[in-house]
Amino acid sequence: GESVGLHLPTLSVQEGDNSIINCAYSNSASDYFIWYKQESGKGPQFIIDIRSNMDKRQGQRVTVLLNKTVKHLSLQIAATQPGDSAVYFCAENKASWGKLQFGAGTQVVVTP
Amino acid sequence: DVKVTQSSRYLVKRTGEKVFLECVQDMDHENMFWYRQDPGLGLRLIYFSYDVKMKEKGDIPEGYSVSREKKERFSLILESASTNQTSMYLCASRSSRVDTQYFGPGTRLTVL
Repeated sequence: GESVGLHLPTLSVQEGDNSIINCAYSNSASDYFIWYKQESGKGPQFIIDIRSNMDKRQGQRVTVLLNKTVKHLSLQIAATQPGDSAVYFCAENKASWGKLQFGAGTQVVVTP
Repeated sequence: DVKVTQSSRYLVKRTGEKVFLECVQDMDHENMFWYRQDPGLGLRLIYFSYDVKMKEKGDIPEGYSVSREKKERFSLILESASTNQTSMYLCASRSSRVDTQYFGPGTRLTVL
């Protein structure tokens, strides 16, 4: 899951398996959450988002689950591929003008 | 597709130099953001702009200024670069009607 520190938490996944990346958010009033993927040397790339009036949202090979009771967000990647190796981080909307609070990220390593 | 471009991928400057980082978006977005990304600290908001000529300080504005003379362009200025400003700088843009921020590829700045 997400944590703050010098070393990113790492999730090692075998190719073809499903990945689950977890994120705890801080503000119960946040109404929008987003997941980004960042490959080495590149900018963050939008993956999927979810509003607080939903519990689940599905995209292509990805699913985001939102548990507002425990302020927890997860990203599931189905049939993980080598191209999924990256840092994944969540963000929550902290203000009406769109300020996002970012988590520190989780490094996903896909092994053959 | 949203396209956010940054003027340089890599930049090396000397302490005391004035540094300009340029960001351009092609989606007519009202809001634009500058972040810096450092290991273990995640993304931190430096400045944002919600419209032309409008700007607001983010979480770490000290040592930086910004300029938004045209809607598509948002510049980050380091008036007198210091070694602690060595970082990855990321620009993002967002329509005021949706929450998703789209990022550019980043500029890795090294200050010697």
